[in-house]
Amino acid sequence: GAVVSQHPSRVICKSGTSVKIECRSLDFQATTMFWYRQFPKQSLMLMATSNEGSKATYEQGVEKDKFLINHASLTLSTLTVTSAHPEDSSFYICSARTSKSDTQYFGPGTRLTVL
Amino acid sequence: AQSVSQHNHHVILSEAASLELGCNYSYGGTVNLFWYVQYPGQHLQLLLKYFSGDPLVKGIKGFEAEFIKSKFSFNLRKPSVQWSDTAEYFCAVDGSGGSNYKLTFGKGTLLTVNP
Repeated sequence: GAVVSQHPSRVICKSGTSVKIECRSLDFQATTMFWYRQFPKQSLMLMATSNEGSKATYEQGVEKDKFLINHASLTLSTLTVTSAHPEDSSFYICSARTSKSDTQYFGPGTRLTVL
Repeated sequence: AQSVSQHNHHVILSEAASLELGCNYSYGGTVNLFWYVQYPGQHLQLLLKYFSGDPLVKGIKGFEAEFIKSKFSFNLRKPSVQWSDTAEYFCAVDGSGGSNYKLTFGKGTLLTVNP
């Protein structure tokens, strides 16, 4: 149980385009989903927290208009990187938790490369 | 600022050696503590967690960790490592004590176990 998937696993796009990444909880309802970013040889950095049906809460320094997060259902959250630039190239990881658990379950991550 | 420190960037051991990975945090209040493992090419998986109670917690695959409040530490241990333990290990702290479930991660320790 507690499986989280992400799609796509890898995406390459041109500078200036927008990219959408999906995060799904496959066998549980995720009341809260988290989006992280991981640079090479660095730790995971929390970008934002999203609760189903409400606006995401962004961490300091994360641009809300650039990283659009939607958590429209209890099993799906999306992260859209708008007008992507090469510096947005990174590994994006989502996690999810239920209202009854203090544990986050992580997705496999999405490697974004912006040319 | 709140932070999580993992002392070792890369640890190399032979099979059957004992393992201890250090983790220190800088939160003053109630904390929830986690160790996650990321095997090559796989997503983050929960090894063990501490919320309250017995400060010595046991996780999967023979791992354990000890919470020492006075030292702000949560070191991970395993008495005898195996080649299959080769992975990256992340210490994470929920500095809210479970009120917002946000995790701050350490930079990770890469463990290489030689057969």
